[in-house]
Amino acid sequence: DQQVKQNSPSLSVQEGRISILNCDYTNSMFDYFLWYKKYPAEGPTFLISISSIKDKNEDGRFTVFLNKSAKHLSLHIVPSQPGDSAVYFCAARAYNAGNMLTFGGGTRLMVKP
Amino acid sequence: SQTIHQWPATLVQPVGSPLSLECTVEGTSNPNLYWYRQAAGRGLQLLFYSVGIGQISSEVPQNLSASRPQDRQFILSSKKLLLSDSGFYLCAWSAGPGQGGNTIYFGEGSWLTVV
Repeated sequence: DQQVKQNSPSLSVQEGRISILNCDYTNSMFDYFLWYKKYPAEGPTFLISISSIKDKNEDGRFTVFLNKSAKHLSLHIVPSQPGDSAVYFCAARAYNAGNMLTFGGGTRLMVKP
Repeated sequence: SQTIHQWPATLVQPVGSPLSLECTVEGTSNPNLYWYRQAAGRGLQLLFYSVGIGQISSEVPQNLSASRPQDRQFILSSKKLLLSDSGFYLCAWSAGPGQGGNTIYFGEGSWLTVV
């Protein structure tokens, strides 16, 4: 049972346009959400996070939106740059599970120059 | 600042051979430690986590094991590798109890190919 799902395995976007990566979850106990970026043959790096008490968190070109009623979050990258091309993982933490994270399957973003 | 290192970066092992991947964390004490695996084309799967020396929890039944002989050292082992053990293994850490922080930080990863 996948508690965190990223239904789009890949996404292609033109440089300068907006990239929107989506993530859905099923566990109502998730209270903290993170996005990680991963280049090939490297470990994932933390990108941005959001607590369930908020519906938006912004950091430079990256914004994460959380819709708790729909159990949906999204990562917006504006403007997209070729260096953003990577696999993006959505992750969630349940309030009763310490720092255990549940990851989605990842979305490969390709930003074309 | 905190850093995490894991090694070796790549290895090719025959079926039935043993495995040892090592991970160390610097700049923090009593961290939570994790081993993840990313199989080809798939997401990150938690294999083991540890909240303290000698305390290991397994998330997935398999022929792998983990040990934490020291506070900031985490080792992933196998006595006999299977072909299905091939993948990208990631060590990770997060702040321990009472230290705040909700983020998990990953090492560089180790590519294992079982042949």
